[in-house]
Amino acid sequence: GENVEQHPSTLSVQEGDSAVIKCTYSDSASNYFPWYKQELGKRPQLIIDIRSNVGEKKDQRIAVTLNKTAKHFSLHITETQPEDSAVYFCAHSGGGADGLTFGKGTHLIIQP
Amino acid sequence: SQTIHQWPATLVQPVGSPLSLECTVEGTSNPNLYWYRQAAGRGLQLLFYSVGIGQISSEVPQNLSASRPQDRQFILSSKKLLLSDSGFYLCAWSVLKYYTFGSGTRLTVV
Repeated sequence: GENVEQHPSTLSVQEGDSAVIKCTYSDSASNYFPWYKQELGKRPQLIIDIRSNVGEKKDQRIAVTLNKTAKHFSLHITETQPEDSAVYFCAHSGGGADGLTFGKGTHLIIQP
Repeated sequence: SQTIHQWPATLVQPVGSPLSLECTVEGTSNPNLYWYRQAAGRGLQLLFYSVGIGQISSEVPQNLSASRPQDRQFILSSKKLLLSDSGFYLCAWSVLKYYTFGSGTRLTVV
């Protein structure tokens, strides 16, 4: 798949505030957009994903929005908690089996 | 349920030595299998993927190779490691776009 730009690289928010991470892609064939959370030294874990036939998906404090026209998608975390501190990766893939293309990650820091 | 096993968890190897990392999947048939590498503080880079036995696609040129001798086994190899091969190597499988990662191998080349 083609590259994906992820911003910001580091995000520090106060506990209880919201955090937003944005990704932009260029491959118009992309149709699957997952977000992964990776804690230090551990494997990435899928936290939420969205497919191209919907614009928004929510799971408790986490939501993802997708704008296919503008080719960007965002992760929203509300009421942040200390355990939300981690590195978050966006990714996307197209219709083939050629794997996910990942953003460079966002280090989310929740300040107590 | 499907599980993915990856070993070893950590490995320290001298420059010029060979490498063999193994990944096996249980509970699924004919999965797509992937090897990713994550350098320190960086994102995940796709190295190889496989859609079936003996079928390997390489995403980046390098001194690494991959093989899939069995449906649920994926091996990452090198004949001579370089310092730049250090990193966190993750195996993954996917069915219907849902990806699951192994626990990773942290390789340090010294």
